[in-house]
Amino acid sequence: ILNVEQSPQSLHVQEGDSTNFTCSFPSSNFYALHWYRWETAKSPEALFVMTLNGDEKKKGRISATLNTKEGYSYLYIKGSQPEDSATYLCAFWDGGATNKLIFGTGTLLAVQP
Amino acid sequence: DSGVTQTPKHLITATGQRVTLRCSPRSGDLSVYWYQQSLDQGLQFLIQYYNGEERAKGNILERFSAQQFPDLHSELNLSSLELGDSALYFCASSGPGLAGVEQYFGPGTRLTVT
Repeated sequence: ILNVEQSPQSLHVQEGDSTNFTCSFPSSNFYALHWYRWETAKSPEALFVMTLNGDEKKKGRISATLNTKEGYSYLYIKGSQPEDSATYLCAFWDGGATNKLIFGTGTLLAVQP
Repeated sequence: DSGVTQTPKHLITATGQRVTLRCSPRSGDLSVYWYQQSLDQGLQFLIQYYNGEERAKGNILERFSAQQFPDLHSELNLSSLELGDSALYFCASSGPGLAGVEQYFGPGTRLTVT
């Protein structure tokens, strides 16, 4: 069974703090790593899709890095704002027999004003 | 708004019943995915269709089935419903490619089985 682990499970920060989360995934048969942002009462929204070792992607104050050899990705948020409060999901594309996205359980971020 | 639509938004039904959830993908997307989000679990992949054909299967129960029609909309059929089937069901769609393309999620259908 392939597992995607995310840490921490939840995080409470103050407005203006910078923060980061970790996603760990199997390092073999890597195809892609996805990051999604999921606000309460909404649906998951894609942030990044990363396919190459060493990839770094950025969207505004949010950025992500990828290390496929050791099986981890970091998501960074610089200067957190209350509107960043959401659950951040990573998902590993299992390119083996199943060809599907395997989601982690997410990191719940709460930014206090 | 992702461009993916799902109906109904909410569904309440009794054990043993059968329901159909509907999904329309973003314009031009050929792939449709179905996911289940239960209270105590993360997003679980159920099944994927590509241009009308089943492409990949996850942990989908035999009581569940899906199809994608020529106009590319998809339906997820859930039968002999049990209390444990209560969950949020998401549909997502994507453009060409598999692993390296982002998926666009619909608003979900919340199913409550009583």
